[in-house]
Amino acid sequence: NAGVTQTPKFRILKIGQSMTLQCTQDMNHNYMYWYRQDPGMGLKLIYYSVGAGITDKGEVPNGYNVSRSTTEDFPLRLELAAPSQTSVYFCASSDTENTEAFFGQGTRLTVV
Amino acid sequence: AQSVTQLDSHVSVSEGTPVLLRCNYSSSYSPSLFWYVQHPNKGLQLLLKYTSAATLVKGINGFEAEFKKSETSFHLTKPSAHMSDAAEYFCVVSDTGGFKTIFGAGTRLFVKA
Repeated sequence: NAGVTQTPKFRILKIGQSMTLQCTQDMNHNYMYWYRQDPGMGLKLIYYSVGAGITDKGEVPNGYNVSRSTTEDFPLRLELAAPSQTSVYFCASSDTENTEAFFGQGTRLTVV
Repeated sequence: AQSVTQLDSHVSVSEGTPVLLRCNYSSSYSPSLFWYVQHPNKGLQLLLKYTSAATLVKGINGFEAEFKKSETSFHLTKPSAHMSDAAEYFCVVSDTGGFKTIFGAGTRLFVKA
């Protein structure tokens, strides 16, 4: 049972570089989410998707982009990395918006 | 607008003593409420959820939570703490009237031997 798989687990970026955080789920969930977790701040929703081809902004979308071409995959793109994007990123999926969310193991990103 | 407040950033208990992690929420609709646990360097795992059925919800690992609408609370309890319970716990509210999920800031539980 793979569940939600995120890659990479760790990454160090230089300011201005770009990268894509990958997320894939094998539970056929329609809903997928990207969160960032900063110390003492809980999780903040960056973007979410309610199905293939449909995405929407969450609470903190600036500096990020997403796409959802398939049900399984929901990559998160950072175009111009900034130190403020240093965080732990979690991808999650759920069957509906009010059912249990399954989380990936997280990606620890440092921008220097 | 909905919000969730975890009243304690840190809670420390001795092994074998009760655990109480407090959560208050506000919501315009009938909310769904969740508690998640995060062990160090791990993803989040669902402990339990309330979705307008029984107000006392039992979860995994001996945890339970009671939904009190009059107090807008959803406190997490466990009768006897175990060392393996040391982790961060998140209270989460999700409106059934629309798509929005809010995480609390988290409560770190320390368990002393």
